[in-house]
Amino acid sequence: QKEVEQDPGPLSVPEGAIVSLNCTYSNSAFQYFMWYRQYSRKGPELLMYTYSSGNKEDGRFTAQVDKSSKYISLFIRDSQPSDSATYLCASQMNSGGYQKVTFGTGTKLQVIP
Amino acid sequence: DAGVIQSPRHEVTEMGQEVTLRCKPISGHDYLFWYRQTMMRGLELLIYFNNNVPIDDSGMPEDRFSAKMPNASFSTLKIQPSEPRDSAVYFCASSRQYEQYFGPGTRLTVT
Repeated sequence: QKEVEQDPGPLSVPEGAIVSLNCTYSNSAFQYFMWYRQYSRKGPELLMYTYSSGNKEDGRFTAQVDKSSKYISLFIRDSQPSDSATYLCASQMNSGGYQKVTFGTGTKLQVIP
Repeated sequence: DAGVIQSPRHEVTEMGQEVTLRCKPISGHDYLFWYRQTMMRGLELLIYFNNNVPIDDSGMPEDRFSAKMPNASFSTLKIQPSEPRDSAVYFCASSRQYEQYFGPGTRLTVT
């Protein structure tokens, strides 16, 4: 079993829709949770970063973490064609300077104009 | 800042050949990571360095893979001998705190 599981999609939605992307994780030691966005033939770039449980909002994006169920979500409001990309969830432990990040396999999103 | 620089961007080689991938991290970043990305397995951490010292190489698939970081501004990932199953996109990333900055990747095809 992978430590971070993610539905690969693809997920197609019309422009303006609300998008929900989800991940589950198995390692209780994970304390930091991230969403990376990867455009085709590019490297991933950090989109959202949260610590422990709760919500974090940044413009049209909301990241949600529920540690009791080991569930990570990313919501995109008013989705745009420019949001079309692969979204990778990631989790990280905190052990001194330990920096290893475990990534999900990514969900491919297509926003149709 | 130019970001993380990787070379070459594309590499096509024959099975059995040696392949060397290169990375220049962002200046001032003290962590450097090598990842491999495939459709089946997603993004996998191969090895990471802190202040030029390898910290965790448990993701390196086998002895055919080796990585070095001779100084703060340069790292290499070498595959010798290469095999078709090594075909993937290899990313280098660097960080100073929690955010990792990825390079554009090297697309490796081994025939």
